[in-house]
Amino acid sequence: RKEVEQDPGPFNVPEGATVAFNCTYSNSASQSFFWYRQDCRKEPKLLMSVYSSGNEDGRFTAQLNRASQYISLLIRDSKLSDSATYLCGTGNQFYFGTGTSLTVIP
Amino acid sequence: NAGVTQTPKFQVLKTGQSMTLQCAQDMNHEYMSWYRQDPGMGLRLIHYSVGAGITDQGEVPNGYNVSRSTTEDFPLRLLSAAPSQTSVYFCASGEQETQYFGPGTRLLVL
Repeated sequence: RKEVEQDPGPFNVPEGATVAFNCTYSNSASQSFFWYRQDCRKEPKLLMSVYSSGNEDGRFTAQLNRASQYISLLIRDSKLSDSATYLCGTGNQFYFGTGTSLTVIP
Repeated sequence: NAGVTQTPKFQVLKTGQSMTLQCAQDMNHEYMSWYRQDPGMGLRLIHYSVGAGITDQGEVPNGYNVSRSTTEDFPLRLLSAAPSQTSVYFCASGEQETQYFGPGTRLLVL
């Protein structure tokens, strides 16, 4: 079983929409969780870490649910520039999901 | 700071050839790692290192060797390239919660 699983999408949403991605993780001992953004043919870049109490950065909100072993990312008021692949990850050895493709449509 | 650098950017190999993918970082990070990224498979961890002289295997280590003689450098060696190793390879370095990725090496094995 993979350490981290996420729905690959694709998600196609109109500008201004709210979209949510979920990831499940298998190792209940995992302590670190995060979301990365990857643009086409580029390297992944850290979007935000995920803390137990949840955290927000502008239009982006990350949540952690330890009981159900999943993390989520909510994007509000989607912009065209949000179009990318979003990777969730966890673990001391930094395991990643397969990535979820998001396209924001004008 | 250059961050994480990788060379080469592109490489074409024939089956059976060997090569080394270079990775260097100037952020004095103890943790470094190598991933491969394939369509539909996401980022898969090949090998990682928690400091100079210490390496360990990730999810998909077969066919790859690593060494970590200095904090800065973490080369990845393909001993005998196979078409299944055609992929994009990312090196990363970081601390507990953050990893910084290099720009990647695109490898094609014919």
